[in-house]
Amino acid sequence: DVKVTQSSRYLVKRTGEKVFLECVQDMDHENMFWYRQDPGLGLRLIYFSYDVKMKEKGDIPEGYSVSREKKERFSLILESASTNQTSMYLCASSSSGQDFYEQYFGPGTRLTVT
Amino acid sequence: ILNVEQSPQSLHVQEGDSTNFTCSFPSSNFYALHWYRWETAKSPEALFVMTLNGDEKKKGRISATLNTKEGYSYLYIKGSQPEDSATYLCAPLLNTGKLIFGQGTTLQVKP
Repeated sequence: DVKVTQSSRYLVKRTGEKVFLECVQDMDHENMFWYRQDPGLGLRLIYFSYDVKMKEKGDIPEGYSVSREKKERFSLILESASTNQTSMYLCASSSSGQDFYEQYFGPGTRLTVT
Repeated sequence: ILNVEQSPQSLHVQEGDSTNFTCSFPSSNFYALHWYRWETAKSPEALFVMTLNGDEKKKGRISATLNTKEGYSYLYIKGSQPEDSATYLCAPLLNTGKLIFGQGTTLQVKP
């Protein structure tokens, strides 16, 4: 089974802190994604990566950056956390060309910025 | 940005009722249509991936249809059970490999 893990289920940070959210997948997937989910808005894409050291902006990249130094790991970085970044963050991975890019999701990290 | 609309936003039904949801999207620029099911405190999981106009998929009591020409997909649940309670997300797949998610339909099935 594909497994996508995220470093924390719940996280509380203060405004202005630098925050790292880690995601690891164990199925050698090329593609990895970071989403945030807010009530009534569905899943919105923050950043994605098609390969190691490659990154592409999604629909809402402002205030975020990412890092992909290894194929299995994709990190989301909040350089200076703000209260409007309080949200549920989901990581996902997919294989190029298989199952029409079916995405496998991690359990999510609920981040609260106070 | 591709606009994906799901309706209704939420639904409350009694156990045994059949129900259906709609996903609407622009009829061009997509490669496939994904449906995901997201139960509370769990990760979203893929239900169906649909690619062809007229495609129909079925998994147990849940089925889905796709109309690519008019840009919609229906998800049906026959004889809803409490364990069907979840948020159902549809997502067109662009040829870049990106999924564009709708806001979801949240189903609550009362015993």
